[in-house]
Amino acid sequence: NAGVTQTPKFRILKIGQSMTLQCTQDMNHNYMYWYRQDPGMGLKLIYYSVGAGITDKGEVPNGYNVSRSTTEDFPLRLELAAPSQTSVYFCASSYSVRLAGGYNEQFFGPGTRLTVL
Amino acid sequence: DQQVKQNSPSLSVQEGRISILNCDYTNSMFDYFLWYKKYPAEGPTFLISISSIKDKNEDGRFTVFLNKSAKHLSLHIVPSQPGDSAVYFCAASADGAGSYQLTFGKGTKLSVIP
Repeated sequence: NAGVTQTPKFRILKIGQSMTLQCTQDMNHNYMYWYRQDPGMGLKLIYYSVGAGITDKGEVPNGYNVSRSTTEDFPLRLELAAPSQTSVYFCASSYSVRLAGGYNEQFFGPGTRLTVL
Repeated sequence: DQQVKQNSPSLSVQEGRISILNCDYTNSMFDYFLWYKKYPAEGPTFLISISSIKDKNEDGRFTVFLNKSAKHLSLHIVPSQPGDSAVYFCAASADGAGSYQLTFGKGTKLSVIP
């Protein structure tokens, strides 16, 4: 049981290039999330998905796109990379969001460190 | 506008002593609070949580206290161990349509000195 896996671990892009950050989970979770963490800051939600074929914007979606064709995979696409997208990107998943009186924790991948020069 | 604030960027504690990490929030709609722990080059891992209907939740060496009137929560680690050295994030969730979204603080880096 690998949990949430992300590839690549590191990447350097030139301004204007594009790339896809891969995320896979093997826990059969319905909900998946993409966050970014800038230095000295908390995590900010980029996009999320409540199931295959359903995605929606989070707090900071500009410059990114996502798709969810399977339960397991939730790739994040950067088009026309900009220096402002230099960050650490975390993918996460959870079974659902809320149970009665509880909150389903999110499980995080190890992150992708992206630098745009 | 930060809705979840962790005002101490770092904290150093001697091994065996108590570590107290603090978190303040401004959004009165938050009703569930979580603490995540993060080691370098790893993703955050869930540590402990508390619902707004409680004022305390305990799990082994970790206890979270919630003071709703002050919009303040704290994480106590007793006794602190060197392996507890990490960045701790406070996160909050509001019930309803946006309950999927966790709002994170900036984190507090805890160093436990042997």
